[in-house]
Amino acid sequence: DIVMTQTPLSSPVTLGQPASISCRSSQSLVHYDGNTYLSWLQQRPGQPPRLLIYKISNRFSGVPDRFSGSGAGTDFTLKISRVEAEDVGVYYCMQTTQFLTFGGGTKVEIK
Amino acid sequence: EVQLVESGGGLVQPGGSLRLSCVASGLTFSRFWMTWVRQAPGKGLEWVANIKGDGSVRYYVDSVKGRFTISRDNAKNSLYLEMNSLRVEDTAVYYCARWDYGPDYWGQGTLVTVSS
Repeated sequence: DIVMTQTPLSSPVTLGQPASISCRSSQSLVHYDGNTYLSWLQQRPGQPPRLLIYKISNRFSGVPDRFSGSGAGTDFTLKISRVEAEDVGVYYCMQTTQFLTFGGGTKVEIK
Repeated sequence: EVQLVESGGGLVQPGGSLRLSCVASGLTFSRFWMTWVRQAPGKGLEWVANIKGDGSVRYYVDSVKGRFTISRDNAKNSLYLEMNSLRVEDTAVYYCARWDYGPDYWGQGTLVTVSS
């Protein structure tokens, strides 16, 4: 199974400042079809998960452009350019190159 | 607008059974793989099972193989999860989700509590 490791576990951020979350996979996420199926989810308190980014860097429908994804192979990053109050929650990376596994989550909170 | 609504959760004793349902709208249901993902209280996300659009292919996480069955009725735009021999560790909110490059649209979830 592919293991996904996220850092940090918690990220206290000042409103309007950037935030960055890292995700590392235990093996390459490049699929035999050439795509890399790495996505990012946001889960606000008491809410279901919401897809933010798919295939490393593609924003899902309705996602603000302050969210961006990057990376390749086994190392990936989610960046929030300017954190807003509504961004508080837990963020998960997930891979669907080989079935589906999730990272352990990173809690974004306001300082 | 894609909407997924789960139902069927509740309190069940260890060894018992439960059937979850998920009704989909706003999409051509039969064209998509669908998935169940669960989240134990205060914990992270865990994939449970997938099913192809025509129901011909199914995958399960090892911990539920032989106990859970994923199925669908495309005429009713509905996804199901039949859960047997339930264990305390199956306690979680169960989400259904549409699968495109992975789970994209998610339901609100239904809580399953396994306890004596």
